[in-house]
Amino acid sequence: AQSVTQLDSHVSVSEGTPVLLRCNYSSSYSPSLFWYVQHPNKGLQLLLKYTSAATLVKGINGFEAEFKKSETSFHLTKPSAHMSDAAEYFCVVSEGGGSYIPTFGRGTSLIVHP
Amino acid sequence: NAGVTQTPKFRILKIGQSMTLQCTQDMNHNYMYWYRQDPGMGLKLIYYSVGAGITDKGEVPNGYNVSRSTTEDFPLRLELAAPSQTSVYFCASSLFGTESNSPLHFGNGTRLTVT
Repeated sequence: AQSVTQLDSHVSVSEGTPVLLRCNYSSSYSPSLFWYVQHPNKGLQLLLKYTSAATLVKGINGFEAEFKKSETSFHLTKPSAHMSDAAEYFCVVSEGGGSYIPTFGRGTSLIVHP
Repeated sequence: NAGVTQTPKFRILKIGQSMTLQCTQDMNHNYMYWYRQDPGMGLKLIYYSVGAGITDKGEVPNGYNVSRSTTEDFPLRLELAAPSQTSVYFCASSLFGTESNSPLHFGNGTRLTVT
């Protein structure tokens, strides 16, 4: 069975400082992992996905995530926050074994202060 | 390329009324999903489909029905609306299942209020 835990419901940073959004997962198989972003009153947009080709994954808007199998983590980072990064972020896991259903974390709200 | 299109954007229903949320995609994706989003709860899967003519229940199917007569369309039907169905509904599609790294493409959502 698969599950995903986003460790922080809210993260508050100042503009120009680093961002860290934490995600731990559980999977019985080799999982596919994704990060999505949702701006207010919008649908979700793919930020990046883990493809097993590389443990460090680069996404859009300067975000990246590192897959750590030993820690079952897939944390999202960005070196310098911008005001436009303020949004809700979702970590998603999808395992193999014939399951087509991705599991969403509860989301982390990123607040960026000027 | 329109992607995933949902209609309507907003709707207010009275308790006991019925309605259909429309979802269509023009990417020839096989997989389609309906989610509901409630504050602080992430997205919960209502129903999904792996191809035309095939549908299956997700985590929270009670009070909903779906059909998939074509690859493009995946309408969600609410019968006898209840206040607990007040939520934001998202339709999504993917080319293959997400277990194959195929990402989800989302519509902009339908905000439904049942009073």
